[in-house]
Amino acid sequence: GDSVTQMEGPVTLSEEAFLTINCTYTATGYPSLFWYVQYPGEGLQLLLKATKADDKGSNKGFEATYRKETTSFHLEKGSVQVSDSAVYFCALNRVDDKIIFGKGTRLHILP
Amino acid sequence: DVKVTQSSRYLVKRTGEKVFLECVQDMDHENMFWYRQDPGLGLRLIYFSYDVKMKEKGDIPEGYSVSREKKERFSLILESASTNQTSMYLCASNSGRAGGNTIYFGEGSWLTVV
Repeated sequence: GDSVTQMEGPVTLSEEAFLTINCTYTATGYPSLFWYVQYPGEGLQLLLKATKADDKGSNKGFEATYRKETTSFHLEKGSVQVSDSAVYFCALNRVDDKIIFGKGTRLHILP
Repeated sequence: DVKVTQSSRYLVKRTGEKVFLECVQDMDHENMFWYRQDPGLGLRLIYFSYDVKMKEKGDIPEGYSVSREKKERFSLILESASTNQTSMYLCASNSGRAGGNTIYFGEGSWLTVV
């Protein structure tokens, strides 16, 4: 069945470091791909998305490119801030409209 | 602004109690979802509804039921709460067009069963 695998955390970085959180997927057809972020005590909110191969989603300095050949959608940011500390979820939208999430990656940014 | 509202943020219930978690969305979305979030397990889909009175089981429906009598409202019911249902419950919704639809989440309901 469809699935999403993302790197386990926690990931701890210093402020201004480069961030990569890996995400790969298994799916039939051509799903849309998403990154969601969850700040402490809150629900999930959309960070960025891509709907077809080679699309790049971007928001708040974060980027991810839909790579069909490697079935990946890695999240990157050039210079992280303390305020980026959160849990990040990779997800895909199946053709039946159900959304499948990865297990989440907790990110800690140290000042 | 889009809005998914969960009626209770924090609940404490006793084992065996019947528990209702209510969710309302104001975006006229066809699809609504209930997820459960647990450390190390991520989000797991409990039930999904794609229209009024229509529902489908997700990955972990055991011990839960749902009700969707109106388009904007989706209720999760624990018929007889157990301690292993202590968790964070997230309601979400999106429109019915396949592919590329952003899913919007509520703030979550923390349920503790004692």
